[in-house]
Amino acid sequence: EAQVTQNPRYLITVTGKKLTVTCSQNMNHEYMSWYRQDPGLGLRQIYYSMNVEVTDKGDVPEGYKVSRKEKRNFPLILESPSPNQTSLYFCASSELAGGPYNEQFFGPGTRLTVL
Amino acid sequence: AQSVTQPDIHITVSEGASLELRCNYSYGATPYLFWYVQSPGQGLQLLLKYFSGDTLVQGIKGFEAEFKRSQSSFNLRKPSVHWSDAAEYFCAVGELVMRFGAGTRLTVKP
Repeated sequence: EAQVTQNPRYLITVTGKKLTVTCSQNMNHEYMSWYRQDPGLGLRQIYYSMNVEVTDKGDVPEGYKVSRKEKRNFPLILESPSPNQTSLYFCASSELAGGPYNEQFFGPGTRLTVL
Repeated sequence: AQSVTQPDIHITVSEGASLELRCNYSYGATPYLFWYVQSPGQGLQLLLKYFSGDTLVQGIKGFEAEFKRSQSSFNLRKPSVHWSDAAEYFCAVGELVMRFGAGTRLTVKP
């Protein structure tokens, strides 16, 4: 089954404790992206990647890191989480063939709470 | 910079009634526009998209949207709403950098 998976689905942590949220897709998509969803703000893009070793900032990259060492994986790293990073996080992927405007397939989300 | 505004935070319609969800965008060139739906506790699913050509686009689940350049709008419509359409709807614009509206939550009354 074609899908985007994220782990963990739920995470409660404390300020300053490094964490990684994994994202993996099995559709051989070139493009992957991370979003955070907050009430009243919709989704805001954190980082995106057009292919292996190619990443770029979205609108809200501060406090986050990403890496793209393999095509299928795009982990989101919070080196020193703070309470304002409490949010619902989504990973998404899409093809790039034909242009960067194909349907994005979203993972199920990771709900992160930073105390 | 690109931006998207969804003026309605919450809309309630009766089952069987028609629906229109508003979306206004700000973009310097021809926009790439999308409508996504998010059911409770789920990720987002694409309903439809517009890049060029016919300004009325058809999507899944009986939804359609009309691109109006003069009004900078891309409103989503459905002629007859079903209870299963209750969800949150997001309009989005962009290419590599995607910008989403704040969303419109749809409640369907029996």
